[in-house]
Amino acid sequence: QEQLVQSGAEVKRPGASVRTSCRASGYTITTYYMNWVRQAPGQGLEWMGIIDPSDGSTKYAQKFQGRLTMTRDTSTSTIYMELSSLTSEDTAVYYCARGHGKNYGWFDPWGQGTLVTVSS
Amino acid sequence: SYELTQPPSVSVSPAQTATITCSGDKLGTKYTSWYQQKPGQSPVLVIYQDSTRPSGIPERFSGSNSGDTATLTISGTQAVDEGDYYCQAWDSATVVFGGGTKLTVL
Repeated sequence: QEQLVQSGAEVKRPGASVRTSCRASGYTITTYYMNWVRQAPGQGLEWMGIIDPSDGSTKYAQKFQGRLTMTRDTSTSTIYMELSSLTSEDTAVYYCARGHGKNYGWFDPWGQGTLVTVSS
Repeated sequence: SYELTQPPSVSVSPAQTATITCSGDKLGTKYTSWYQQKPGQSPVLVIYQDSTRPSGIPERFSGSNSGDTATLTISGTQAVDEGDYYCQAWDSATVVFGGGTKLTVL
């Protein structure tokens, strides 16, 4: 069964960084892209970026350029997402979602989400 | 930047047909996907490549895409179909989501 399991909730101070993980199981991580999508409380879905686990190449949404980093560890089938310079506006549930194709594809499955709370 | 517009809410009676639209410039030239999200849960793919249902998604879910509008249709809507629905497409190598539509089954 193909699934994505994400790390637990985080609470961070403004200005700090957060690193969350997404572990894939049931398939070979290098054969699919991985996307990160976030959802602020009561709001819609917002795409953050994509990583190709086969070579580590990434593309980030313009909004997150300069403070978002996606990496992967193929030995543990894990993708990491690090967001720096956090503000209260970054409080959200962060999802990883397997991408079927780049520039045209869909997302399936999704991880269970990681709640990141930014508060002083 | 590219935008996808959805109605904030749609209401439907049980067993009736629900139609949720997603509008964007020349959207018909792009593949559209649809996701269902229930409170406190992760999104679930219900339609991809405009009209293809993933394994396990009921046949009552269907999709189409032409011109500037993609449409998700739920035939014989059931109470279990209540939730938020999001359309998604790619534009200029980035992903765009619609704002979401809350489906209420009255």
